[in-house]
Formats: sequence, structure tokens, C-alpha cells
Amino acid sequence: DAGITQSPRHKVTETGTPVTLRCHQTENHRYMYWYRQDPGHGLRLIHYSYGVKDTDKGEVSDGYSVSRSKTEDFLLTLESATSSQTSVYFCAISSSGIGSGELFFGEGSRLTVL
Amino acid sequence: AQSVTQLDSHVSVSEGTPVLLRCNYSSSYSPSLFWYVQHPNKGLQLLLKYTSAATLVKGINGFEAEFKKSETSFHLTKPSAHMSDAAEYFCVVRNYGGSQGNLIFGKGTKLSVKP
Repeated sequence: DAGITQSPRHKVTETGTPVTLRCHQTENHRYMYWYRQDPGHGLRLIHYSYGVKDTDKGEVSDGYSVSRSKTEDFLLTLESATSSQTSVYFCAISSSGIGSGELFFGEGSRLTVL
Repeated sequence: AQSVTQLDSHVSVSEGTPVLLRCNYSSSYSPSLFWYVQHPNKGLQLLLKYTSAATLVKGINGFEAEFKKSETSFHLTKPSAHMSDAAEYFCVVRNYGGSQGNLIFGKGTKLSVKP
């Protein structure tokens, strides 16, 4: 299995509180991604990174921010969590970018916003 | 624009019988197509990919998929289901022109395997 660790794996929080999810990789891959998975929607890209301090928005980026200060860590922050952000969040990594289609996924972080 | 449609949200088969999971795609370009599998409470894993080479693509665990341009389909098959195949399967197309390209995921097909 690819060395990807997500933390926390489960979190319950209240509306309006900030939340940070962490993705840590030991593969030294250049590209890192955050997806959210919701029933009936498949996976949707939130943000991605193509290098240290290089990030860009995906299709559902509103309400989320990211940071990548080291190759191995990619943080996803919800500045003020809302109930619509209740979801399972997946981090993924790739050595060659999305063009290859080969992403390696973490095991997910389940977030519940009350 | 690119899109994928998984025609069945749930498929149930008996162990030892064939598996067919259906996927249709729409793409303005020569598509790159993929199948991913997700076992319960796990992340997704790439099963196989098509990138304009052979139209019959073999993947892991005995799965294969055939790209049919005339039918805009990329169905996933396996000759004989195993209990360990019970999982959710996602058909995926690469979205050209999006930010850093993007992968567009279908809504998933949950495969149940009965003993």
C-alpha cells in the first residue's frame, strides 16, 4: 500500500468551528489532491497541489482552503464548517499527475458537522 | 465536456458467475478511461485504465474492460465473481481542459456477491 496517512480519521464538530484535515505521504510524490465523497455523487475534487506552495482549486473549492509547506504534507482547512461539509474526505497522491489517471488514495477522514 | 454514466447503482451476482458493470462515457476528445474499486471503509484503488492503446484492457484481480467507441461504452467484466469482489466500483474519465486536467468520477456501482 502507498504510504498515505490521513488524520483524523473521524471527527465530529459543530457548525462555525474551524477544522483541519491532514494528509501525510512517505512516497515523495509531487502531486497531492483532496476529494470529497458523498452518496450519489462519486468523488469530487476540492483542491490539489503540484508542488510545495503550489496549489489550485478543483470543482468544489468554496469554503475550503489548503496549504502545502512540505512535500509530504497537504492540509485541508474548513475555516467555518457548515452542515453541507459533512462528508468523507479522501487524500490522493500521484507521481505523474492526473493525466496518468493513477492516483493512490488514503483511507479517508469522515467529518460530521452538527 | 466529459462525463460518465454508470448504468446500475447496484448489481448482485452469485459467487462463480460472471460480473458485468456498465459504464457509458461522453468525451469531446479521445478519452482516457479508468475503473477504480473501493472496498468498505477503504480508499479507492485503480483497477485498470484505457489510454488509446489496446481496446481490451486487463486489470488486477481478473477484471477487464473493453473500450467500444461506437457504443461510447467502457464496461467492466470478470468471468467468475469471488466473495472478495464485493465493493463499490467507479468508472472515471479524464476531463481535458480542466485545472491540471481532472478526473470525473461516476456515481458508483455497488457489487454484492452472494455465496
